[in-house]
Amino acid sequence: GAGVSQSPSNKVTEKGKDVELRCDPISGHTALYWYRQRLGQGLEFLIYFQGNSAPDKSGLPSDRFSAERTGESVSTLTIQRTQQEDSAVYLCASSSGTTFYEQYFGPGTRLTVT
Amino acid sequence: KNEVEQSPQNLTAQEGEFITINCSYSVGISALHWLQQHPGGGIVSLFMLSSGKKKHGRLIATINIQEKHSSLHITASHPRDSAVYICAVRGGNEKLTFGTGTRLTIIP
Repeated sequence: GAGVSQSPSNKVTEKGKDVELRCDPISGHTALYWYRQRLGQGLEFLIYFQGNSAPDKSGLPSDRFSAERTGESVSTLTIQRTQQEDSAVYLCASSSGTTFYEQYFGPGTRLTVT
Repeated sequence: KNEVEQSPQNLTAQEGEFITINCSYSVGISALHWLQQHPGGGIVSLFMLSSGKKKHGRLIATINIQEKHSSLHITASHPRDSAVYICAVRGGNEKLTFGTGTRLTIIP
């Protein structure tokens, strides 16, 4: 079946502009995660959605970052007034539950802020 | 000190060698993940375990909860195993904390 998909695959934007990144999880997966990987660095947790529960936003680096998810489907990560340090690969993952369920990763969106 | 430490950071080996990558963590966890990141950037989940040992093909993952340590082993290594291997731990709030990864290169 279809895996996790993300769009766009690459995004180049000017400093100060807003960007929206999209994640389509595997159908039926109730949990959805956003991560960031800066060049040469490890993965960082950003935000986690589980069903209709309030999302865990503890990893968002600033109030310029926000994310939404409609039910158990598509999620959008929005970065307002982008800065050069926002340049990274943004990865989305989904799983069918929590804790003891494996996460399936999307291919990522490479964001470059010029 | 990072909550998740991996060693070695880089590993180069000849094809056929037995590979071990280690992961130590300092916090209580509910599960530990081993991930593989290919040169193109794609990430694949290899294992998720909370106790004991799991095996999939030539890959074996073990975890010792008391010692807060996990190992990933690759038997009969092959150049296609060349990738970055990432250890990640899950705490009680479902958030994953990642190690910095081990870059493995297998030479034919």
